[in-house]
Amino acid sequence: AQKITQTQPGMFVQEKEAVTLDCTYDTSDPSYGLFWYKQPSSGEMIFLIYQGSYDQQNATEGRYSLNFQKARKSANLVISASQLGDSAMYFCAMREGLYNTDKLIFGTGTRLQVFP
Amino acid sequence: DVKVTQSSRYLVKRTGEKVFLECVQDMDHENMFWYRQDPGLGLRLIYFSYDVKMKEKGDIPEGYSVSREKKERFSLILESASTNQTSMYLCASTRSQPRSVLEKLFFGSGTQLSVL
Repeated sequence: AQKITQTQPGMFVQEKEAVTLDCTYDTSDPSYGLFWYKQPSSGEMIFLIYQGSYDQQNATEGRYSLNFQKARKSANLVISASQLGDSAMYFCAMREGLYNTDKLIFGTGTRLQVFP
Repeated sequence: DVKVTQSSRYLVKRTGEKVFLECVQDMDHENMFWYRQDPGLGLRLIYFSYDVKMKEKGDIPEGYSVSREKKERFSLILESASTNQTSMYLCASTRSQPRSVLEKLFFGSGTQLSVL
């Protein structure tokens, strides 16, 4: 079974509008972290935001917020006031805490295109 | 800021060649990782290492090996390159102490390898 599922291969949004990128996860570990990374066409992976499984409030970083719904096992990324520079691939990832491993498991990504 | 440097941004090799992809980090991180990225498949973990001379197989280790002789350097080796190893290769690092599910990965800028 997929640990991280991103069902939207591509999304379009108009500049200045908000957009939500979906991510669902699957784990039986009570302790885990959820991450979002951005990958522009240059190829570098840029960390955006993270959320711990025990965090009560949704994480926010500037225009990025993580809509964490634990019961639904979803961790959607919300980008407010989209900018042209937000056009990129976006990856959701998870780290499970129980088995003393530090690896991140990634989803397949969503390509976001922001148009004027 | 952590810097993770991959030696080549683009690489073209021939089938059967032995290929070395080099990665160096400058923040004394214990953990280093090699991922490969393919369209529609996201990032998949090839190998990782917790310490010098230690290595662990990831999800897709077949056809690859790694070397970690020094803490700051983690090399990915394709013993006999094949066309199905044409891909983007991403190196990453993270510290292991203090352990936290929220410890983020720092990535290099990637190596786009083409095997002809």
